[in-house]
Amino acid sequence: DAGVIQSPRHEVTEMGQEVTLRCKPISGHDYLFWYRQTMMRGLELLIYFNNNVPIDDSGMPEDRFSAKMPNASFSTLKIQPSEPRDSAVYFCASSTTVSYNEQFFGPGTRLTVL
Amino acid sequence: KQEVTQIPAALSVPEGENLVLNCSFTDSAIYNLQWFRQDPGKGLTSLLLIQSSQREQTSGRLNASLDKSSGRSTLYIAASQPGDSATYLCAVLYGNKLVFGAGTILRVKS
Repeated sequence: DAGVIQSPRHEVTEMGQEVTLRCKPISGHDYLFWYRQTMMRGLELLIYFNNNVPIDDSGMPEDRFSAKMPNASFSTLKIQPSEPRDSAVYFCASSTTVSYNEQFFGPGTRLTVL
Repeated sequence: KQEVTQIPAALSVPEGENLVLNCSFTDSAIYNLQWFRQDPGKGLTSLLLIQSSQREQTSGRLNASLDKSSGRSTLYIAASQPGDSATYLCAVLYGNKLVFGAGTILRVKS
């Protein structure tokens, strides 16, 4: 398996622009997670899905952030409008209860908002 | 509040030394605990996963232990190598939510 795939790997945008991050989980995994990593706050869970349904979005910082999972093999995290404080590395991870919920992470998207 | 703490924050050792990284957690109602490695500018690589009912897991030169009652886990690295230099993250799974420690930055000097 190719592992968790994220795109783009790097994104540079200007404040106010819309940003869309994409994730393809490992085939067969029924959980998908979005995390954000910053120097100040470390790794934080933003939202997670189970069988394409959002279960807990309490980590989403504000209404500018939204996430969708239209099918089992694709998810997006959208920021609209983006702000400089959104600059971070965004990770997607997936897991399955069959493998004891071990989470496997993608390579991340490094977002810079100017 | 569920918190995970890692000590030390940074560690520098000569090549060949055995070392221990520490992780503590405030809420013992865990599902499992994972140790990850993160290289600069890279993603997270899962090293070891310990189920809440287990005491330890081993993979090659790595051994992770878990004492759920005291809220502690250790990652033991034997015969360290320069290639082990990275940030090591401890993460505790509560329900379906992973709570991460801040990590230990390890440097192994040749």
